[in-house]
Amino acid sequence: AQTVTQSQPEMSVQEAETVTLSCTYDTSESDYYLFWYKQPPSRQMILVIRQEAYKQQNATENRFSVNFQKAAKSFSLKISDSQLGDAAMYFCAYRFDRYTSGTYKYIFGTGTRLKVLA
Amino acid sequence: EAQVTQNPRYLITVTGKKLTVTCSQNMNHEYMSWYRQDPGLGLRQIYYSMNVEVTDKGDVPEGYKVSRKEKRNFPLILESPSPNQTSLYFCASSLYSGTGHNEQFFGPGTRLTVL
Repeated sequence: AQTVTQSQPEMSVQEAETVTLSCTYDTSESDYYLFWYKQPPSRQMILVIRQEAYKQQNATENRFSVNFQKAAKSFSLKISDSQLGDAAMYFCAYRFDRYTSGTYKYIFGTGTRLKVLA
Repeated sequence: EAQVTQNPRYLITVTGKKLTVTCSQNMNHEYMSWYRQDPGLGLRQIYYSMNVEVTDKGDVPEGYKVSRKEKRNFPLILESPSPNQTSLYFCASSLYSGTGHNEQFFGPGTRLTVL
């Protein structure tokens, strides 16, 4: 069964510093997608970044980047130049789909709460 | 404005009283899904639907029902709610194709309390 593990329930970072949130997953699939979502106190789920497993190049979105290690089944999120608005719960998520069989499932980690210190 | 709407946003009910949480999207998305979020457990998928009249179980379907009679709507039904279904519920939708990373768009969430 596929699983997603976020081993850091909570992390803190000083404003303007860099922080890395870790995520590991377990799957026997070769094609899948990985995502990081941000959930601020408003509870809205916001997509931060995504990675296709078949792409070796790590995804980057402005101050957010990932370190995708397919063999190690690791997908960490790096936030550079941290800002107060980055404070939120961050969820790692995995999706695999078998289009021919109509399977399209998401599995989320338990989340990491990020605090940004002024 | 492209969005996913859920109603109600907050609900307090009692054990055994049937309830429905509605979900609607205006983006013509094929894929819709329901999740529950509990502290320390993250989001867990309840049911999903790839198109009208096509639904499938997620990881925690027990105690829930869904239907997809129209493309835009995907209601979540609790026939006999119990206190362990107290949770924050999210509906989400996305395009569905065999090629894509199709981004999920989430509704604002429904906070359900079952006494």
